[in-house]
Amino acid sequence: DTAVSQTPKYLVTQMGNDKSIKCEQNLGHDTMYWYKQDSKKFLKIMFSYNNKELIINETVPNRFSPKSPDKAHLNLHINSLELGDSAVYFCASSQDGGAAYNEQFFGPGTRLTVL
Amino acid sequence: GQSLEQPSEVTAVEGAIVQINCTYQTSGFYGLSWYQQHDGGAPTFLSYNALDGLEETGRFSSFLSRSDSYGYLLLQELQMKDSASYFCAVRRPHAGKSTFGDGTTLTVKP
Repeated sequence: DTAVSQTPKYLVTQMGNDKSIKCEQNLGHDTMYWYKQDSKKFLKIMFSYNNKELIINETVPNRFSPKSPDKAHLNLHINSLELGDSAVYFCASSQDGGAAYNEQFFGPGTRLTVL
Repeated sequence: GQSLEQPSEVTAVEGAIVQINCTYQTSGFYGLSWYQQHDGGAPTFLSYNALDGLEETGRFSSFLSRSDSYGYLLLQELQMKDSASYFCAVRRPHAGKSTFGDGTTLTVKP
């Protein structure tokens, strides 16, 4: 069984379009994340949700809007796509317990190409 | 602000030992973790250090010195399959907050 799944795996679209990426985790974790990994492989956190509540929103254009319908799902909607949005987007989840660390489990990634 | 520094590239031969260093500056610190990512794959967790000292897991070990804001990942008996990117990440006192370094690309040669 896949722990963290994302759809689609590949997304090719034109500038200006709106697209969504879906993420689901079946680990029972209460925290989910979206990361962006650019062509230089830098891994930057975009958003984090804990029990459906937004807790981290890094400096991300407001064209990006996350939505968490329940604890197991965190979707990412992107409006008016730009060339610079081309990247691999990773969803991840973890069970957070204060100072104790719980590893993050990453999904397989969605490779977004904006033409 | 926060920053993590690690070398961008490291090359070593099969069977060798390699150390990937990570220095950090951060407001608030719980611990340092390491992730491995193969080309085309997702990052996977390797280790976490909350206290000073060395943690060993098979061929991989991770070290932390909180007073020096420094840690490293040690890979022993290198194998070709260890060729990957390695990220250090600081765990901060905010629910779910980890900041990743820019990654070190390790190339293992025969």
